[in-house]
Order: sequence, then C-alpha cells, then structure tokens
Amino acid sequence: SQTIHQWPATLVQPVGSPLSLECTVEGTSNPNLYWYRQAAGRGLQLLFYSVGIGQISSEVPQNLSASRPQDRQFILSSKKLLLSDSGFYLCAWRGQGGNQPQHFGDGTRLSIL
Amino acid sequence: KQEVTQIPAALSVPEGENLVLNCSFTDSAIYNLQWFRQDPGKGLTSLLLIQSSQREQTSGRLNASLDKSSGRSTLYIAASQPGDSATYLCAPKANAGGTSYGKLTFGQGTILTVHP
Repeated sequence: SQTIHQWPATLVQPVGSPLSLECTVEGTSNPNLYWYRQAAGRGLQLLFYSVGIGQISSEVPQNLSASRPQDRQFILSSKKLLLSDSGFYLCAWRGQGGNQPQHFGDGTRLSIL
Repeated sequence: KQEVTQIPAALSVPEGENLVLNCSFTDSAIYNLQWFRQDPGKGLTSLLLIQSSQREQTSGRLNASLDKSSGRSTLYIAASQPGDSATYLCAPKANAGGTSYGKLTFGQGTILTVHP
C-alpha cells in the first residue's frame, strides 16, 4: 500500500532563517506531488505541484521554492523565512490517471518568531 | 477562477442524526470532486471521489452526490457518531490541461460536531 511521510511535524524558526521541509511517498512510482499551505482561518492554498523529477510548477509568487530531486521526494525550501510564512504545510500525492484521488500527509506546523 | 462555497460553516448535531453538508462551485467544467475530512492539527483524509460522469458515490455511511451542471455536491452522513466530528472539505478538480492541470480548489470547510 502507498504511504506518504512528512517531516518534521512541528517547526519553530526565527525570521530570516532557511527552511527545508521534506516529503516522501512509498509504494507508488511517478506520482504527481503537491505542496499546500493552510493558514489559520483560511482554506488550503496550492503552492507547488510536480508531475515528474525536476518538473516544478508554482501556483503563487512567494518566498518559497520546491524541488523534486527523486521520483518520490518533494522538498519545500526557503532561503529566508518571513513572518507571513507561518502556517500548516501539507504535502500530497496522486497516482497517474485523471480520476485518482489525492492523498495527504500529516502536515508540518511552521511557526515563525 | 473556480470558487468553492461550503454551507453550513459549522454544524452541531446529536448522535444518531442524519445530516447533509453542501458544496457549491462556480465553474462546472470539472473533472471530478473529492470530499475530505480533516481532524484538528492533522492532514486531510480522502473520503470519496465522484467522477464528473457519476451522480453518486457511496462508502459505508457516507454518500456523495454531484450535480455538475448546477455546480453542486452534497455529502450525506447517515447515523452520525461522535467520531465523525471533524472539518469536512470538498474540492472540485479542474479539467486537465493548461495551468490548472490536476488542481483541486478547496472550500473553507464545514466544522461538524456530533455530541453524545
């Protein structure tokens, strides 16, 4: 069966520090991968998606970047965090085929001080 | 741009009641629609995926319907239990192609509380 792992579960970082959140998927190959942010009181916002290794699409301009160095690994990064980067970050994957459901990880709670 | 509205925003019911959660979306050109639940501080759990050609999809006590032409979906929960307490989110998926490939647009969710 397929599983998705995200870490860390919680992270507290000072303003201006770098960020690296990692997501890996097991039990499938060539998944579509997604990064979302859920800010307090707001809906889920799609940040990045990837349909293959090295292929990244950004949905909104921002202080973050994403990379996909391996087929089942998706990394969210920032060189310098802003207060506005606080939120709940969720990674998701979907199998190939239009009617495959998206599956989410347990999320990372990021607090910027 | 797709916009998704979920009504009610919050719902509190006694255990055992049947209930309906509503989802409406502005762009009816969708590929499918997914319902999720989210427990506090957790990720999303997929409940049901209903394809654009389907009218209904069932899983246990859950039944989702889709009226694509009118931009509506409902999630019916039968015989509600305290363990059903969570936020329920609907997310229509855009048709493939262009910048909206595979993109889900989420509503704000309905916060459901089922009390014993």
